[in-house]
Parts: sequence; C-alpha cells; structure tokens
Amino acid sequence: GQQVMQIPQYQHVQEGEDFTTYCNSSTTLSNIQWYKQRPGGHPVFLIQLVKSGEVKKQKRLTFQFGEAKKNSSLHITATQTTDVGTYFCAGRGTYKYIFGTGTRLKVLA
Amino acid sequence: NAGVTQTPKFQVLKTGQSMTLQCAQDMNHEYMSWYRQDPGMGLRLIHYSVGAGITDQGEVPNGYNVSRSTTEDFPLRLLSAAPSQTSVYFCASSMTGDGGYTFGSGTRLTVV
Repeated sequence: GQQVMQIPQYQHVQEGEDFTTYCNSSTTLSNIQWYKQRPGGHPVFLIQLVKSGEVKKQKRLTFQFGEAKKNSSLHITATQTTDVGTYFCAGRGTYKYIFGTGTRLKVLA
Repeated sequence: NAGVTQTPKFQVLKTGQSMTLQCAQDMNHEYMSWYRQDPGMGLRLIHYSVGAGITDQGEVPNGYNVSRSTTEDFPLRLLSAAPSQTSVYFCASSMTGDGGYTFGSGTRLTVV
C-alpha cells in the first residue's frame, strides 16, 4: 500500500538557522499537503501542492513538490521559537490522505 | 461555527469495554476521516468517509467500526478495547477530497 516517509524525525536548530524536512512517497501522488502540529495541539493545515515542480511560499516557509510528484520538501528560513512543533506531509492516493511520520522541530533561543 | 468537535477529550477504558468516540462538524464537509496518533508513528488513517452512507477502511481499521448516517456526524466505535488502542484519536473533515482538512482537538484514550 501507499507509504509516506519523512526525514529527519527530529531536528534541533538554533534560532535564526534554517530548517528543512523532506517527504517521500512510495507511489505517485495527485497532490500533497503540509500540516503543523504544536505541542499538545492538533494538526493545522498549511498548504497544498498539486502541480509537478510546484513551489509555494508563505512568509519564511517554502514548499516544493517534486517533478515526479513522489517527494516534497518544506524549508523554513531563519527559524523562530514560534516555529516549534511537528510538521507533517500528507500525500493523496485515491480518496484518502496518508500522513508521513512527521518531523519534530525544536528551536533553541 | 464550531468547526470539528470531538468528545470526550479524555477517556480511560478497561480492556474489553466498548465505547464510541464522537465527531461532529458544522461546515457541511463531505469528507471525514479518523486518525490515531502514536509517538513516532505519525498519524495513521483508521477509517474515512466521502459522504453520508459511504465509508471505507484506512491503514489500521481492525478493532474499529464507523458509520456515516448524516453529513455532520462520524462516530468511531471501539468494539472491545485493547491496550494497543491507547492513543490520541483525531477526527478531520474537508469540503472536498482535494482540500485541506480541519482537525478536531482530539480524544486521548487510555486502555488499562
């Protein structure tokens, strides 16, 4: 069945450093979504990518969808303490989204 | 507009007991899903629904039942609770299968 893996599992960065998490699917995806979950909270939708090679930006966050639509990345420039949380990708197969294992980001002030 | 409401927020069950986790949304969303979240495992799909009367299995459906008699409600039933079902359960909904999902605040379930 469809599998979605994320690396790294954990990342500790100093405030102001950049951060990147990678998402890889075993199958071609029709689209991919990214979510953020704060500690003790629930996942919150950030963005959706649909087109091959698509790049979208939200302030300091840059999202990319691979040319083959099997991988994606989220890059945060100059991290802040408010970026702390777990970032999940979710790849769409048929009718359902399969979530990646998540990358837990800790930002050290 | 409450979004996605899950009840209860916390629950402790004894092994073998049954219970229903409630999920309701007031956004007229067609798509609804149940996920469980365990440390290091991410979010795993249990069951999902693409509309009233239509449900299907996700990645980890064993031990769980669902039904979707109305657009608003999507309850998750644990038939005979087991310690392996100790987890945080999230319900989520989306207007269409292509849109972002709105998650409820979760139910933390402990089975002893």
